[in-house]
Amino acid sequence: AQRVTQPEKLLSVFKGAPVELKCNYSYSGSPELFWYVQYSRQRLQLLLRHISRESIKGFTADLNKGETSFHLKKPFAQEEDSAMYYCALRAGTASKLTFGTGTRLQVTL
Amino acid sequence: KAGVTQTPRYLIKTRGQQVTLSCSPISGHRSVSWYQQTPGQGLQFLFEYFSETQRNKGNFPGRFSGRQFSNSRSEMNVSTLELGDSALYLCASSLSGDDTEAFFGQGTRLTVV
Repeated sequence: AQRVTQPEKLLSVFKGAPVELKCNYSYSGSPELFWYVQYSRQRLQLLLRHISRESIKGFTADLNKGETSFHLKKPFAQEEDSAMYYCALRAGTASKLTFGTGTRLQVTL
Repeated sequence: KAGVTQTPRYLIKTRGQQVTLSCSPISGHRSVSWYQQTPGQGLQFLFEYFSETQRNKGNFPGRFSGRQFSNSRSEMNVSTLELGDSALYLCASSLSGDDTEAFFGQGTRLTVV
């Protein structure tokens, strides 16, 4: 069975500081990894997926199969980045997403 | 284009009752998945429907069921409600489900008293 672990419930950083939201997974095959974000009073939305290897809103994430990690990074945090972030895994060709418990990012002045 | 629409947004039910939640996917999307979100367990997969057939199922009791209609709209039903069923129920739609982006609805907040 697959599992996604986000060790931090809350991450508080100052504006302009670097951000790293941690995500570790366990799955015996080749997973597809995602980061979803939920801003206040908005619906859950896809931020990025590892296969696209793109940067969205300044965020990047690299899949490290050796460490089974998919950490989300941004060099300079902005106030508008404050939100709930969920790491998710899709195993094989199944549509089911397995989510981590989420990390609340709080960016303060 | 219109997003995923879930109705109703809020529900209060009594233990033992049953409830039906509805999800209208984005036009053209054929896959609909349901998730339960609670503070303790986070987001957990319930089931997925594709072309009116249940394609995947999570680890929930048989009290949780669903169906999908020919227009891809989906309903989920919970029978014999328990206090622990209080949660936010999210629906997600995608074109085909297996390798395409999932778009989420706002959710239905179910409270069981």
